[in-house]
Amino acid sequence: AQSVTQLDSHVSVSEGTPVLLRCNYSSSYSPSLFWYVQHPNKGLQLLLKYTSAATLVKGINGFEAEFKKSETSFHLTKPSAHMSDAAEYFCVVSAFMNTGFQKLVFGTGTRLLVSP
Amino acid sequence: DTEVTQTPKHLVMGMTNKKSLKCEQHMGHRAMYWYKQKAKKPPELMFVYSYEKLSINESVPSRFSPECPNSSLLNLHLHALQPEDSALYLCASSQDPGHFYEQYFGPGTRLTVT
Repeated sequence: AQSVTQLDSHVSVSEGTPVLLRCNYSSSYSPSLFWYVQHPNKGLQLLLKYTSAATLVKGINGFEAEFKKSETSFHLTKPSAHMSDAAEYFCVVSAFMNTGFQKLVFGTGTRLLVSP
Repeated sequence: DTEVTQTPKHLVMGMTNKKSLKCEQHMGHRAMYWYKQKAKKPPELMFVYSYEKLSINESVPSRFSPECPNSSLLNLHLHALQPEDSALYLCASSQDPGHFYEQYFGPGTRLTVT
């Protein structure tokens, strides 16, 4: 079965310092992986996706993630945090349901706090 | 344009009321989804529509009734809800339901059941 584990429920950084949000996945086949961000009382916004092309994926707002099959990881990074990055981040793996339809399997989320 | 719109933004309803949530996308996507999200939790899948047909119902109580009038619209009809149904209801769409396409989410409807 497909699953993701977000290793930190909260991450605190100072503005201008690097961001690392950790995600490990489990998959019985080549996975499609996504990172979504959710600001308070908002919907989810797609940051980036991995679908078996380049292992280093660049997303919006300066975020990127590296797919490492040997470590079953898909960590999200950003070189320099901005106050507006404070939000909930979800690591997501795509899974096929028994019916053949896609289902997104969400991690439990990591809350990123950014201090001035 | 990757926008999914949802109305209303907020909804307060009593347990005996009937109300509807609306979702719209104009990206030509053929799959549409309803999710329920409780505070501090990830979204939970409720329904999947594929090519305007209900394909997946994740054992959702019958007081939630989805409808897909056409390929751009998705409704969620609500009747006799319980206070525990209070949550953020998210709509999403994807290009195709059966492949590894990303889903695009709307801003959600914040539902409070009194």
